Amino acid sequence: DTEVTQTPKHLVMGMTNKKSLKCEQHMGHRAMYWYKQKAKKPPELMFVYSYEKLSINESVPSRFSPECPNSSLLNLHLHALQPEDSALYLCASTRQGLLTNEKLFFGSGTQLSVL
Amino acid sequence: AQSVTQLDSHVSVSEGTPVLLRCNYSSSYSPSLFWYVQHPNKGLQLLLKYTSAATLVKGINGFEAEFKKSETSFHLTKPSAHMSDAAEYFCVVNARSNDYKLSFGAGTTVTVRA
Repeated sequence: DTEVTQTPKHLVMGMTNKKSLKCEQHMGHRAMYWYKQKAKKPPELMFVYSYEKLSINESVPSRFSPECPNSSLLNLHLHALQPEDSALYLCASTRQGLLTNEKLFFGSGTQLSVL
Repeated sequence: AQSVTQLDSHVSVSEGTPVLLRCNYSSSYSPSLFWYVQHPNKGLQLLLKYTSAATLVKGINGFEAEFKKSETSFHLTKPSAHMSDAAEYFCVVNARSNDYKLSFGAGTTVTVRA
């Protein structure tokens, strides 16, 4: 299994809703990442978990809350989002911890629309 | 500090003709360099990476890139474009320091004409 699986593929939510994005990998990778990507732009790093500990938070607003229940699973909890948060949310993983010359394995993303 | 500039926002080629995507970088350290491809509504996939071994790097799907330190460039090429190469391409750099952060270029959109 060489995949990063993200669910759901599409999500529409209102500004008062609470929802969660899920990411799973069974490659034994030790670092997992959340990226946000607006249309026609490169991905922007949001969070990094390395060995199941939150290592990096790129000053992301608290309405985004990451969680890493175990080494295979990464969640992103969403609450009180704004329309400008609409974007493609990508999960990625790397084999070792937080090393930056490693290959990133990306999921296909969740396309989020906030109404 | 590090940064990466993709010189073309859009490249259009005919099927069967060569593809050239240009990337220049700046880095205070010897960098690691990557090219990723993103097809519509998909995640990014690594095409190839340079980490100080051979300067000519071969990747998947017939792509290759040459690291030229004197020109601070890492251009991506393919001899013969296929319709399936239509996608967004990102050049990515990491300076070998304690900085964990990758720098992404703005991206180049490739269209392939039949």
